[in-house]
Amino acid sequence: SQELEQSPQSLIVQEGKNLTINCTSSKTLYGLYWYKQKYGEGLIFLMMLQKGGEEKSHEKITAKLDEKKQQSSLHITASQPSHAGIYLCGAEGTSGSRLTFGEGTQLTVNP
Amino acid sequence: GAGVSQSPSNKVTEKGKDVELRCDPISGHTALYWYRQSLGQGLEFLIYFQGNSAPDKSGLPSDRFSAERTGGSVSTLTIQRTQQEDSAVYLCASSPDRYGYTFGSGTRLTVV
Repeated sequence: SQELEQSPQSLIVQEGKNLTINCTSSKTLYGLYWYKQKYGEGLIFLMMLQKGGEEKSHEKITAKLDEKKQQSSLHITASQPSHAGIYLCGAEGTSGSRLTFGEGTQLTVNP
Repeated sequence: GAGVSQSPSNKVTEKGKDVELRCDPISGHTALYWYRQSLGQGLEFLIYFQGNSAPDKSGLPSDRFSAERTGGSVSTLTIQRTQQEDSAVYLCASSPDRYGYTFGSGTRLTVV
């Protein structure tokens, strides 16, 4: 089965700093999703990447999928306290039937 | 509705009792998923429904867990004889096809 490893597990940054979260797969990714979760809330869809080398941005968040489609990175520029939460990457298995998720990265942004 | 709706949002139950968790997917979405998120852990796949096909139940942790989807829409996840290790947030997601998952806010289950 596909396994996703996220790093770091937790991250504490000062407001205004840039940061990167990585998601590495043991197999080729057929669709990579980034979600954000705040405590007590559901998952919020951020972005989905499919093609090797693809890059997408939304506000101050940019996600990339490498050419080999086995690693994705999520980059936040000029972080704000509103960016705090758990960031999860999810990927489709070869069957295309369900997402497998990483363990998540807990982000804290100190004002 | 506009999004995936789950109810109840919170449920506290006594050990040994049965519970039912409900998921209303987005209208027209043929795929429906249940995931579980235990404290400090990632998301764990439970079950997947796609149209009229037989559900993929490979993630259900024990035979105390079951789920059904009536009329291709609403789904109910049932946990019988609840145990403390069942305490978690249960998340439902729906999708119109292979892509575009939308998650509900989840049901926080606490077994005491």
